[in-house]
Amino acid sequence: SAVISQKPSRDICQRGTSLTIQCQVDSQVTMMFWYRQQPGQSLTLIATANQGSEATYESGFVIDKFPISRPNLTFSTLTVSNMSPEDSSIYLCSVRPLGNTGELFFGEGSRLTVL
Amino acid sequence: SQQGEEDPQALSIQEGENATMNCSYKTSINNLQWYRQNSGRGLVHLILIRSNEREKHSGRLRVTLDTSKKSSSLLITASRAADTASYFCATGLTSNTGKLIFGQGTTLQVKP
Repeated sequence: SAVISQKPSRDICQRGTSLTIQCQVDSQVTMMFWYRQQPGQSLTLIATANQGSEATYESGFVIDKFPISRPNLTFSTLTVSNMSPEDSSIYLCSVRPLGNTGELFFGEGSRLTVL
Repeated sequence: SQQGEEDPQALSIQEGENATMNCSYKTSINNLQWYRQNSGRGLVHLILIRSNEREKHSGRLRVTLDTSKKSSSLLITASRAADTASYFCATGLTSNTGKLIFGQGTTLQVKP
């Protein structure tokens, strides 16, 4: 298993600003992912955070809007850039621990409200 | 992009009754998983079933998988008020990139 800490847990942001979300895991993991959950919706994968290299983005998501870093095996950040009200969502970090069978572990999420 | 469609979208039952949720998907999969999300919280993994398995049990949970129909079901027996949550199916693709694609989810309300 893995324990994931996400910061901030929630924030209210002004239009046009950027916010960086941090994800810290208590153990080394093979994979880290960032998901977005818009109000009342399911989870949509933003990108796979790759250690030491550029993230792999899903269709509809671009690096300029959602820059991601992963400097080591236990830490990643997601920045939501130039925010608009449509970016109001819960952003979730998830990880796949070493040697596990495929399930993901999730942080509690970061709830962003953009005014 | 969403892979799975779930039905029903919402389900309301009395405590003690069984709850069944269904999930359909479009592409070939390596595994299918079910997660629970309590309101305002992160997701918790419930159960994983591999593409070569047809049925799996874990406590009060029973999952079936029919790869020919590209569908799965989650049965919660003897439901409790604490089971009230949203339930999502998620598919792990055969490319085995590790990422999961989530369905739309079923919101379950269990009335005491």
